[in-house]
Amino acid sequence: KNQVEQSPQSLIILEGKNCTLQCNYTVSPFSNLRWYKQDTGRGPVSLTIMTFSENTKSNGRYTATLDADTKQSSLHITASQLSDSASYICVVTLGGSQGNLIFGKGTKLSVKP
Amino acid sequence: DTAVSQTPKYLVTQMGNDKSIKCEQNLGHDTMYWYKQDSKKFLKIMFSYNNKELIINETVPNRFSPKSPDKAHLNLHINSLELGDSAVYFCASSQVGGSDTQYFGPGTRLTVL
Repeated sequence: KNQVEQSPQSLIILEGKNCTLQCNYTVSPFSNLRWYKQDTGRGPVSLTIMTFSENTKSNGRYTATLDADTKQSSLHITASQLSDSASYICVVTLGGSQGNLIFGKGTKLSVKP
Repeated sequence: DTAVSQTPKYLVTQMGNDKSIKCEQNLGHDTMYWYKQDSKKFLKIMFSYNNKELIINETVPNRFSPKSPDKAHLNLHINSLELGDSAVYFCASSQVGGSDTQYFGPGTRLTVL
């Protein structure tokens, strides 16, 4: 069964600290993996996208990694800011013509001053 | 400048009513989607349209019907609304099927009383 599991479900950190969010998937065939950030009351916004051959991708203070062998991805946030408080959603695209997306349930991050 | 827009942002209605949510994208994308996000914040795809053809139709009730008058619009019609339809509905668009980044609208919060 195609699934995307994220951990932790929620996380609270202090401003300025680093954190890492995890994503494990059992999607096959695999096309790509995305991390989205969803602020409260807003639609998701793409942070990174990685294909099978990419191990890491950065977007400012956000760095995503992908291990296609173990089917794991992580999103590392450096020097967190209050504005990083949001839900982070891992999404895996199925290979094939339709390209169905499999969504994780997200990790809710709260950055406190 | 808005890439993907939805109207209305909030919709409160009685059970049994029929309502529509409109979506427009000015990105020139050829595929548009509708997602439902429930109270647990889990995003689930409902429909996608590519060149006016329905290419993904998840197991949603036939009370929900997407209508695309042109490539830039994908409206969602809902008949005989039920309490369980209460959720946030997101429209999104992308350029190439499901393999390219999807850009999401701000969401429409539907409350059925």
